[in-house]
Amino acid sequence: GNSVTQMEGPVTLSEEAFLTINCTYTATGYPSLFWYVQYPGEGLQLLLKATKADDKGSNKGFEATYRKETTSFHLEKGSVQVSDSAVYFCALSDGTSYGKLTFGQGTILTVHP
Amino acid sequence: DVKVTQSSRYLVKRTGEKVFLECVQDMDHENMFWYRQDPGLGLRLIYFSYDVKMKEKGDIPEGYSVSREKKERFSLILESASTNQTSMYLCASSSPTTYQETQYFGPGTRLLVL
Repeated sequence: GNSVTQMEGPVTLSEEAFLTINCTYTATGYPSLFWYVQYPGEGLQLLLKATKADDKGSNKGFEATYRKETTSFHLEKGSVQVSDSAVYFCALSDGTSYGKLTFGQGTILTVHP
Repeated sequence: DVKVTQSSRYLVKRTGEKVFLECVQDMDHENMFWYRQDPGLGLRLIYFSYDVKMKEKGDIPEGYSVSREKKERFSLILESASTNQTSMYLCASSSPTTYQETQYFGPGTRLLVL
């Protein structure tokens, strides 16, 4: 079956540091890949997505590239802010019209001033 | 603005009680989902529904049931709550109009079973 593995957390950074959160996946077919973010006390919201190999998703300074050869979708940001402190989830869609998502375990990011 | 609402943010119940968690979306979405979120385990799918009165089991349906009598409302039912069902419950909805649709999430219900 499908699975998503994220790097172990939590991650603690200083403001303006470079961020990478690793995500690898196992899937049959051609899944779409997503990063969702959960701010404290809130539900999840879509951060970015990529629907085919070599696509790059980007939003709010975050980027991730769909790498089929390495089955990866690593999240990066060049300069994090305190407001980026949240839990980040990598996910893939099973490609059916139901759009079921398989999530990674989540990575807690804390950014200090 | 799209909106998914959940009936309670926090809930405390006793073992053996019947618990209802309600979710309402205002986007006319066909698909609705219930997940539970536990630290280190991410989100796990309990049930989903792709149409009124239709439901499918997710990865962890044991101990849960669901009801979808109207398109906008999807209820999660714990028939007899147990302490291992203490968790954060998240509802989401999506539309199949695009092949790779985005799910929209509610704020979550944190359930404590004593």
